[in-house]
Amino acid sequence: GDSVTQMEGPVTLSEEAFLTINCTYTATGYPSLFWYVQYPGEGLQLLLKATKADDKGSNKGFEATYRKETTSFHLEKGSVQVSDSAVYFCALSVRGSQGNLIFGKGTKLSVKP
Amino acid sequence: ETGVTQTPRHLVMGMTNKKSLKCEQHLGHNAMYWYKQSAKKPLELMFVYSLEERVENNSVPSRFSPECPNSSHLFLHLHTLQPEDSALYLCASSQDSGNGNTIYFGEGSWLTVV
Repeated sequence: GDSVTQMEGPVTLSEEAFLTINCTYTATGYPSLFWYVQYPGEGLQLLLKATKADDKGSNKGFEATYRKETTSFHLEKGSVQVSDSAVYFCALSVRGSQGNLIFGKGTKLSVKP
Repeated sequence: ETGVTQTPRHLVMGMTNKKSLKCEQHLGHNAMYWYKQSAKKPLELMFVYSLEERVENNSVPSRFSPECPNSSHLFLHLHTLQPEDSALYLCASSQDSGNGNTIYFGEGSWLTVV
């Protein structure tokens, strides 16, 4: 079945460090891919998305590229801030899925000053 | 402000109680969802409504009963829950329920069953 695997956390970085959170997927058909972020005590917010191969999603300095050949959608940011501390979820949806987002388990990021 | 509002934000209920979670979306969307987020499992889709009709029910126990009276409102009626039902319940909406549509989440309702 369809699934998303993302790196286990927690990830702890110093401010201004480079961030990579790995995400790979298994899906039948051609999924759309998403990164959501959940700040402490809040719901999920869409961070970025890509709907076809080679698309790059970007927002707030975060980027992820839809790589069909490696079935990956890794999240990157060149210089993290303390305010980026949150849990990050990779997700996919496939055609005909009636809006069913398949989520990874989430990766908790802590950024220290 | 995401455009999806959930109440209450926190709820504690006994196993014999009946309570309801409420969700309202101000985005003009046609599809609404209930998701469950618990500590031990990835986020799980519970119910999908498209144009006020239920289109998917992911084998959710009958002690959870959804209601969608119109395209802007969604309820989750709860009765005779178990302690393992304690979780964060997230409401969401999207323009429609097809692939690729961005799904917008509310801030969630924290449920504790005692």
